[in-house]
This record gives sequence, structure tokens and C-alpha cells, in this order.
Amino acid sequence: AQTVTQSQPEMSVQEAETVTLSCTYDTSESDYYLFWYKQPPSRQMILVIRQEAYKQQNATENRFSVNFQKAAKSFSLKISDSQLGDAAMYFCAYKGQAGTALIFGKGTTLSVSS
Amino acid sequence: ETGVTQSPTHLIKTRGQQVTLRCSSQSGHNTVSWYQQALGQGPQFIFQYYREEENGRGNFPPRFSGLQFPNYSSELNVNALELDDSALYLCASSTRLAQSYNEQFFGPGTRLTVL
Repeated sequence: AQTVTQSQPEMSVQEAETVTLSCTYDTSESDYYLFWYKQPPSRQMILVIRQEAYKQQNATENRFSVNFQKAAKSFSLKISDSQLGDAAMYFCAYKGQAGTALIFGKGTTLSVSS
Repeated sequence: ETGVTQSPTHLIKTRGQQVTLRCSSQSGHNTVSWYQQALGQGPQFIFQYYREEENGRGNFPPRFSGLQFPNYSSELNVNALELDDSALYLCASSTRLAQSYNEQFFGPGTRLTVL
């Protein structure tokens, strides 16, 4: 079975600084998708960025980028120029190509200070 | 375009009771997934419905059941509530496309407390 591990329960960063959240996963599949979701205190889960496993190029969305290391089964999220609004719980998630379910890690709580 | 909505926002039940949670999917979406998120944990997949049929189920007992209606809205029913059922229940809708990541759009959730 696939598993997703986020080893940092909490992280903190100052405004305008850069922070990296870690995620590792375990799978025997070759084709899959990886995601980072943000869940603010309002509870609504929002997709931040996604990566298709067959793509070697790391995904980037504005201030958010990933470092995808397929052989190491690692998928970290880098947030540049952190803003107060980035404070939230961040979840790493996996989905097999033929799968129906998103498999989530336990999350990392990110706090941003001014 | 209307997003995913869920009702009610909060619910308090006692052990042994039954509960029904509701979800309206985003316009144009034909697939609904339900997740249970315990406090401080990541969401866990309960099941998915596609065109009114169950299309995948996680490791949840049969007392968790669901329905999807012709308009693609959905219900999650939980019978014989247990204290451990206290959680945030998330609904996510998507459009099922072959060879696609089928992005799931989440609702705000229903917070269920079982006393």
C-alpha cells in the first residue's frame, strides 16, 4: 500500500523568507501524481501545486515550487517570499494513475511571523 | 461557477445515533469523494461515487455508507456512531477523465462531534 510521510509536524518562517516542507512517499507504481494542499483555519482544502511523476521538470506555481526526486521518493515544497497568508496546515498527497483516492500525509503546520 | 458546498457546518450527536451529511458537487463534476479528517491528522479516504455507483472504498466499516443522486450531489451516512467518529468530514468533487489527475475540489467540511 502507498504511504505518505511528512516528518515535520511544525515549521515556522519569517515574512519574505523561504521555507521548505518535506514529504516522502512509498509506492511500487511507476505512474502517479503528487500534490501539496493547503488547509487554512477556514478548513477548506486548496490545491497549491501538483507534479506528474512522468515529468522530470519540477513544477512551479508563482512563489511555490517543488523538488521532486523520483528515485528517492521525495517531494518537498519550497515557499519563497513567505507571506502572512501562507500560514496554514500543508498536506502532501499521492494519487496513483488508476487510483481513486488521495492518500495524505499527516500534515505540517506552517506559521509565518512578521 | 458554484463551488463544493457541504451541510451542515457543525453537528453534535450521541453515541449510537445515526447521521447524514450532505454535499453538493461543483458544477460539471460527476464524481464525489468523501474523506474523514481526525483532529491533527491528514484526511483519510472513505469512498468515492461516480455516476451514482460506489467506485472505490477505503478502510472503513460498512456502517459508513453513501449515496450519489442524479444531479451528482451526495450523502454520507454513518450508523451506530462511535466516539472515534468525531472528525471533520470532507467532500471533494471532480470530473472523471481517463489518464488524468482528476483534480479534486474540496468543500469546507462538516465538523461532527460524537458525545
